[in-house]
Amino acid sequence: DAGITQSPRHKVTETGTPVTLRCHQTENHRYMYWYRQDPGHGLRLIHYSYGVKDTDKGEVSDGYSVSRSKTEDFLLTLESATSSQTSVYFCAISTGYQSYNEQFFGPGTRLTVL
Amino acid sequence: AQTVTQSQPEMSVQEAETVTLSCTYDTSESDYYLFWYKQPPSRQMILVIRQEAYKQQNATENRFSVNFQKAAKSFSLKISDSQLGDAAMYFCAYRSPRSGGSNYKLTFGKGTLLTVNP
Repeated sequence: DAGITQSPRHKVTETGTPVTLRCHQTENHRYMYWYRQDPGHGLRLIHYSYGVKDTDKGEVSDGYSVSRSKTEDFLLTLESATSSQTSVYFCAISTGYQSYNEQFFGPGTRLTVL
Repeated sequence: AQTVTQSQPEMSVQEAETVTLSCTYDTSESDYYLFWYKQPPSRQMILVIRQEAYKQQNATENRFSVNFQKAAKSFSLKISDSQLGDAAMYFCAYRSPRSGGSNYKLTFGKGTLLTVNP
């Protein structure tokens, strides 16, 4: 357990509504990531952060934005949710100080967009 | 761009037997990191084992071991004495050796669903 929580754990919303998912960590790790998991695709990187207010896009960033105003929180926002964004979303952290920089994952958020 | 391929969407094994999950990857880098993650029905992603490409010795963690073939770009996971709790989706993942930002990101395969039969 790397002290990572995600909220909400489940959410059902309607097309066109904004949605914000929160990732919270307790250990002040520098690097944070948002992935989405879909059947047949594994996990794909949406956005990542390498420090407070420092973020960048991953491979599937269209339709998503992120913010990191504090070390411990990394927010993922769907400005106008679409059915194609129905997925399981995982937050992950890595320290950036070890050779492996292995990532530790939160419990995931299941989002359904109707 | 790196790619990771898991050619076995599903595998099954009898309890106490041994099973091997396959993973191949494509990269132009000479050094990198490879990982196997386990995702049980709880959905939690759990790191099983890791390997640095420059290390010749295959990594081992209790009943889990890898067969790393660098020239063939192959990184298979062997589970010995399979237990019911090993039933899960298993993901192979690649990370670039370069530091900073997106270079720490993981590239995942599509996963192999392992069933353990009693």
